[in-house]
Amino acid sequence: QITLKESGPTLVKPTQTLTLTCTFSGFSLSTSGVAVGWIRQPPGKALEWLALIYWDDDKRYSPSLKSRLTITKDTSKNQVVLTMTNMDPVDTATYFCAHKGSDAFDIWGQGTMVIVSS
Amino acid sequence: QSVLTQPPSASGTPGQRVTISCSGSSSNIGTNYVYWYQQLPGTAPKLLIYSNNRRPSGIPDRFSGSKSGTSASLAISGLRSEDEADYYCAAWDGSLSASWVFGGGTKLTVL
Repeated sequence: QITLKESGPTLVKPTQTLTLTCTFSGFSLSTSGVAVGWIRQPPGKALEWLALIYWDDDKRYSPSLKSRLTITKDTSKNQVVLTMTNMDPVDTATYFCAHKGSDAFDIWGQGTMVIVSS
Repeated sequence: QSVLTQPPSASGTPGQRVTISCSGSSSNIGTNYVYWYQQLPGTAPKLLIYSNNRRPSGIPDRFSGSKSGTSASLAISGLRSEDEADYYCAAWDGSLSASWVFGGGTKLTVL
């Protein structure tokens, strides 16, 4: 059974750097074809894809946020970490991590709410 | 504004069949698979349809997906009250700004 759980601060100040951790079980990020992605959802708004990291350490980023994002993995700890710099109130959202097999983002974590406010 | 266009709302009565559309372009829906997600209030999205028209294990056959050209549709037959949720389409966009793109979401109300 695949599960993922996001963790990180609930409140960050503007200009600070956000660090979120996705801890997963039920699969290995060293298995060919597997990836973990991050997607966010501002309150009452649509889903927005942020980043994706593959088993072979290939990384993809949202073009509009690429300069602010870094995604890394620790295969031994079954974790994926997303950092986002220069946080702004418009970045207030629920942040989800999700397992991606050969096809879709098929299993999602419960999400973690991040509020950006001074 | 989302890359994929969905109607903001849809509605139907129990037992009815409803469809939700998703319009894109040649760089996303036109050349790549479409995925559909259901999001119940306060929960994470759940994969309903992958590869245009395939259902993951456990998804009832009341849910079906189709694609034609640069548009896709999700159909829900035998509508139930528990189907009231937000529905999102998604696809890989292979343009210069290669990225995963989502629709703006459709709020389905069961009357």
